[in-house]
Amino acid sequence: DTGVSQDPRHKITKRGQNVTFRCDPISEHNRLYWYRQTLGQGPEFLTYFQNEAQLEKSRLLSDRFSAERPKGSFSTLEIQRTEQGDSAMYLCASSSSIQGASYGYTFGSGTRLTVV
Amino acid sequence: GEDVEQSLFLSVREGDSSVINCTYTDSSSTYLYWYKQEPGAGLQLLTYIFSNMDMKQDQRLTVLLNKKDKHLSLRIADTQTGDSAIYFCAVNNNDMRFGAGTRLTVKP
Repeated sequence: DTGVSQDPRHKITKRGQNVTFRCDPISEHNRLYWYRQTLGQGPEFLTYFQNEAQLEKSRLLSDRFSAERPKGSFSTLEIQRTEQGDSAMYLCASSSSIQGASYGYTFGSGTRLTVV
Repeated sequence: GEDVEQSLFLSVREGDSSVINCTYTDSSSTYLYWYKQEPGAGLQLLTYIFSNMDMKQDQRLTVLLNKKDKHLSLRIADTQTGDSAIYFCAVNNNDMRFGAGTRLTVKP
């Protein structure tokens, strides 16, 4: 297993366009998280899945954002009608509820979104 | 996030010890973590401490937890230039909350 993979690494889009990011977690991990990180800030929680169920959504996740994890494996995060304020690094992480919290989360390298 | 606070910058000389501090507000946090982020990379888990411990040592890393003051620190002994990175404190309740990160610069 090569860890958590995110695709693409970078995305530049025009304001108003829709974008979709993909995350492939560690295969044994049943939990998957999306975070957003802006320059000079720590990651901010967006949403989390246990298997295919989306269990929690932050109030940061506006109606333009939607996340799915249809088969409990990879996940997608879609942003509709992008705005310049959406420019950020979008981080995906995974963990196992069986291993326990001491293992923390394993993060991917992120997708950097620039809205022009 | 506002629940976890860290100083933003720390600069040390190679070979010295670095101490990065963090305060948090939620006393129900059961695990507290330190993550490291290098440029262009995701976050890497460095170490953690369980809330019923007050100290944990792992090679060059020492974590101190003061639950009464809700204060967590990370000490890096014999700091090397490769330790230059951003260090994030995080606390875990239902989900993980991060501080804004401390940028550690190690000068040769």
